[in-house]
Amino acid sequence: AAGVIQSPRHLIKEKRETATLKCYPIPRHDTVYWYQQGPGQDPQFLISFYEKMQSDKGSIPDRFSAQQFSDYHSELNMSSLELGDSALYFCASSSGTGAYGYTFGSGTRLTVV
Amino acid sequence: KQEVTQIPAALSVPEGENLVLNCSFTDSAIYNLQWFRQDPGKGLTSLLLIQSSQREQTSGRLNASLDKSSGRSTLYIAASQPGDSATYLCADWVPGRKLSFGAGTTVTVRA
Repeated sequence: AAGVIQSPRHLIKEKRETATLKCYPIPRHDTVYWYQQGPGQDPQFLISFYEKMQSDKGSIPDRFSAQQFSDYHSELNMSSLELGDSALYFCASSSGTGAYGYTFGSGTRLTVV
Repeated sequence: KQEVTQIPAALSVPEGENLVLNCSFTDSAIYNLQWFRQDPGKGLTSLLLIQSSQREQTSGRLNASLDKSSGRSTLYIAASQPGDSATYLCADWVPGRKLSFGAGTTVTVRA
C-alpha cells in the first residue's frame, strides 16, 4: 500500500541557509500535517492544510512557511536556519479531518551546522 | 488544552513478559486514540486506531483499549520479543484540533 513519502530523507544545511522539505500524502488523502521532533522530545505540531488551505497552525516559527499544492503534496520552506532547527520533521496525512487516523511519513532529518 | 501523559516513561522487561503501557488524557471530548511505534531516529508507525464508537482494537499480539470516562487508554503487548524494543506513543484527536502526543514510553525487551 502507498505510504506518505517525504523527501529528502536527510538534509544538512549551514546556518542562515534555506531548506525545502516535501511531503506526498497517501492518494485520496486531502489533509497534510507537519510535525517537528527534537532529540528526545515528542512530536510538536507545526501546521496543517486541508484542501490546499491552511487549517491549523501550531508552534511554527515565522521563518517557516508551508503550502499545499493542487496535487495535495505539501512543502515546508525554512529560511534563516538556526542550529536549533536541527530535528526530525514529519509529515502526516489523513482523509478529511482525521477521523480515520493519521499516517506518518518516515521523516526528514535536518541538521543545521 | 489537551494534555496527554504516558506512564511509565521507560520499561525494561525480559523476553516473553507481557507489556502494559498507559496513556491518560485530560479532555474527555477525545474522538480517536491512536498508538504509534517509533524506532530510534525513524518515523512513526501506526499500530492501532481506536475510533470514537469503539472501545478496543486488536492486532496480533497487540491490544489497545480506550475508556473515555476515565480518560485512559492502555496498550497491551503479549509475549514480548526483543524486536518490540522501541518507543511507543499515544496520540488523541479531538475534532477541530491536531493530534496531541504523549511523551512516549521507551520499551526495552531483554533477550
